Amino acid sequence: EVHLLESGGGLVQPGGSLRLSCAASDFNFDTYAMNWVRQAPGKGLEWIAGISDNGADTFYTDALRGRFTISRENSRDTLYLQMNDLRAEDTATYFCAKGVGQTVVTPNNYFDMWGQGALVTVSS
Amino acid sequence: DIQMTQSPPTLSASVGQRVTITCRASQTVGGWLAWYQQKPGKAPRLLIYDASTLNGGVPSRFSGSGSATEFTLTINSLQPEDSAIYYCQQYNSYAWTFGQGTKVEIK
Repeated sequence: EVHLLESGGGLVQPGGSLRLSCAASDFNFDTYAMNWVRQAPGKGLEWIAGISDNGADTFYTDALRGRFTISRENSRDTLYLQMNDLRAEDTATYFCAKGVGQTVVTPNNYFDMWGQGALVTVSS
Repeated sequence: DIQMTQSPPTLSASVGQRVTITCRASQTVGGWLAWYQQKPGKAPRLLIYDASTLNGGVPSRFSGSGSATEFTLTINSLQPEDSAIYYCQQYNSYAWTFGQGTKVEIK
């Protein structure tokens, strides 16, 4: 069974930084694109970033480009999200989500496995 | 970005009833649409992809249909464990977008 386990969430002050990790197990991590999807408290789902299987291609929602960086370390089966200049509106649960192909393009970008989520709270 | 609009926002139905959720796209997404189920405090679960293909392990009472800009998720014979929020997601055009969700309650 595929497993994804996020870590690194917590309370951070506005303007601060945080790095989330997502450890993958029980599948060939380096052959699948990976994504981050967030959910503000009581709200819906928002895709925020994706990365191809080899890390060569990255995609971001326009609103977050420049502040957030997605990366991966295939030797460690781990996905990352570096978040800088955090704002109150970034408060959310952040899910890592596995794509179904190598690339972050149609028709591969739906998500067949999700982690349990990491809560990030931005507050002074 | 393509906007996805779900209706109704909430529905309440009895066990055994058939329920239908609609998802409309602001422009065509072809057949590139997925449906997810999310229970409180849990991660979303993929139910359907490519508009009508049932994901492995998903009960056959769930079905999806539609194309272009209008899609439906149908639950035949609603069960107590189907109480959840359901989201559609288009993956035709970057940036991949979700509907706002439909909450299904059991009467």
